[in-house]
Amino acid sequence: AQSVSQHNHHVILSEAASLELGCNYSYGGTVNLFWYVQYPGQHLQLLLKYFSGDPLVKGIKGFEAEFIKSKFSFNLRKPSVQWSDTAEYFCAVNGDSNYQLIWGAGTKLIIKP
Amino acid sequence: DVKVTQSSRYLVKRTGEKVFLECVQDMDHENMFWYRQDPGLGLRLIYFSYDVKMKEKGDIPEGYSVSREKKERFSLILESASTNQTSMYLCASSLSGDTDTQYFGPGTRLTVL
Repeated sequence: AQSVSQHNHHVILSEAASLELGCNYSYGGTVNLFWYVQYPGQHLQLLLKYFSGDPLVKGIKGFEAEFIKSKFSFNLRKPSVQWSDTAEYFCAVNGDSNYQLIWGAGTKLIIKP
Repeated sequence: DVKVTQSSRYLVKRTGEKVFLECVQDMDHENMFWYRQDPGLGLRLIYFSYDVKMKEKGDIPEGYSVSREKKERFSLILESASTNQTSMYLCASSLSGDTDTQYFGPGTRLTVL
């Protein structure tokens, strides 16, 4: 069965620090990979996604993620975080050409002003 | 902009009651999903539907049923609510394919007493 692991459940950073949130998945076939974000009091929304092509994917608000197939990883990065990046971040994967997304447990990111 | 609406933001019910959660999307999406979101567990799929009157079980369908009589509307039914169904329920929709972005509603926080 597919699974998604997000290593950090809580991350606290100061403004302007660099961010990397880990995401590893277990599935050997072709995968589609997603990062979603949930800002306080708001809907879950897509940050970025990868399904083919350049393994470095750029998303909204300066976020990017790199798909490393050999490591089964899809880590999220941002070079300089802002207070407004405080949110919960979810990694999700689907494979087997089905509609079902398998979700990580989420990482709560708190940015100290 | 895609809009996914859910009938209630907050709901309090008693054990044994039948509970209906409604979800409506306005973008003619084929796929609709019901998840529950619990701290530390991420999102877990309850049911999804890829067409009117079609449904598939997700990871945790026990104690739930769904109905999709019209393309835009997907209902989640708790036949006999129990305290362990206290959770945040999220509805989502996507266009048709497995790489399509899922768009989420605001969620319904259900408390079962």
